[in-house]
Amino acid sequence: GAGVSQSPSNKVTEKGKDVELRCDPISGHTALYWYRQSLGQGLEFLIYFQGNSAPDKSGLPSDRFSAERTGGSVSTLTIQRTQQEDSAVYLCASSLRGPGYEQYFGPGTRLTVT
Amino acid sequence: QQPVQSPQAVILREGEDAVINCSSSKALYSVHWYRQKHGEAPVFLMILLKGGEQKGHEKISASFNEKKQQSSLYLTASQLSYSGTYFCGTLFNAGNNRKLIWGLGTSLAVNP
Repeated sequence: GAGVSQSPSNKVTEKGKDVELRCDPISGHTALYWYRQSLGQGLEFLIYFQGNSAPDKSGLPSDRFSAERTGGSVSTLTIQRTQQEDSAVYLCASSLRGPGYEQYFGPGTRLTVT
Repeated sequence: QQPVQSPQAVILREGEDAVINCSSSKALYSVHWYRQKHGEAPVFLMILLKGGEQKGHEKISASFNEKKQQSSLYLTASQLSYSGTYFCGTLFNAGNNRKLIWGLGTSLAVNP
């Protein structure tokens, strides 16, 4: 079956512009995660959605970052007024239930802010 | 609360063995292991739920020592395909309000 998909795969934007990153999780997965990974670094947790519960936004680095998940499926991560330090690979993952389950990662979106 | 992975990096020749450790300063409920190959997304290897439990994936196995608050990943007779960065993720409880806390990763290079 289809895995987690993300779009775009690459995004180059100018400093100060807004960007939207999209994640399509595996059908039926109730949990969805966003991570950020800078070159050669680990996985930085951003936000976690679980079913109809309020999302865990504790990892969002600033109020320029926001995310939503519509209809318990597709999620969009929005970064407003992008800065050069936002350049990274943004990974989305989904799991059948919560964090105790295997996470399936998408291929990521490579964001470059010039 | 971030688990500490050791070593940070290891270089092996094909066929050699390696051990990667993931240690926590807090009691663990479960430990999750993932491998990320260069330029790819992380891929799940295994979850360890009980203290002392060992699981295997091909020639990769792992143990979870609750008392030591540590998990170890054993790579036996390493293959070139084992190269990548290994991450452990830890859960501290079984409740609903929780998330995986990730280690910084261990880079493994297997050379011919």
